[in-house]
Amino acid sequence: SQQGEEDPQALSIQEGENATMNCSYKTSINNLQWYRQNSGRGLVHLILIRSNEREKHSGRLRVTLDTSKKSSSLLITASRAADTASYFCATERWSSASKIIFGSGTRLSIRP
Amino acid sequence: DTEVTQTPKHLVMGMTNKKSLKCEQHMGHRAMYWYKQKAKKPPELMFVYSYEKLSINESVPSRFSPECPNSSLLNLHLHALQPEDSALYLCASSQEGGGQAKSYNEQFFGPGTRLTVL
Repeated sequence: SQQGEEDPQALSIQEGENATMNCSYKTSINNLQWYRQNSGRGLVHLILIRSNEREKHSGRLRVTLDTSKKSSSLLITASRAADTASYFCATERWSSASKIIFGSGTRLSIRP
Repeated sequence: DTEVTQTPKHLVMGMTNKKSLKCEQHMGHRAMYWYKQKAKKPPELMFVYSYEKLSINESVPSRFSPECPNSSLLNLHLHALQPEDSALYLCASSQEGGGQAKSYNEQFFGPGTRLTVL
């Protein structure tokens, strides 16, 4: 079963606006990562936030993590056409076989 | 070199064929991964190699056979596949991986192989 569920599933905004995507998960995690995927291509790592961190920034990206609510959000400020892509959260959790599980993803479209 | 390369980019094969997908990285990463991704779905983990040893097999059918000849190379051997195996196959690597005490860190992905099984 999916560890991470993202919402919205699809998001369309005007260039220059901010985009917010949310990720919820079910079990305790070690860290949470966000990845971007342009259509039919490989994924690109955006940011990693550890379970003891609450917020992290990287350029126009801001990620928050609330372990009590088992949720994370990715904010992209001042969106650009090049931000059009699918965005996935990925959780790494404590288990007998630690592994990364990707969420269902948000398809972001930036309108010019 | 911060790149993961995959060959071929596209592959069309019949259900009786035997083919191999190849993945290479020269970042000194000790963990390598195979994922399968269907259209509009997230990547699904298939296999993890850590220090050239298979550490995770996500109950993948035996018609998929991974191989890690050395720390830079990862192969996925395909035999007697089914049409439902058609997907984008992604390879990734990370600095470390595997085991309860280690964090996977960020993964670097290749561009993928688009596989079509007829």
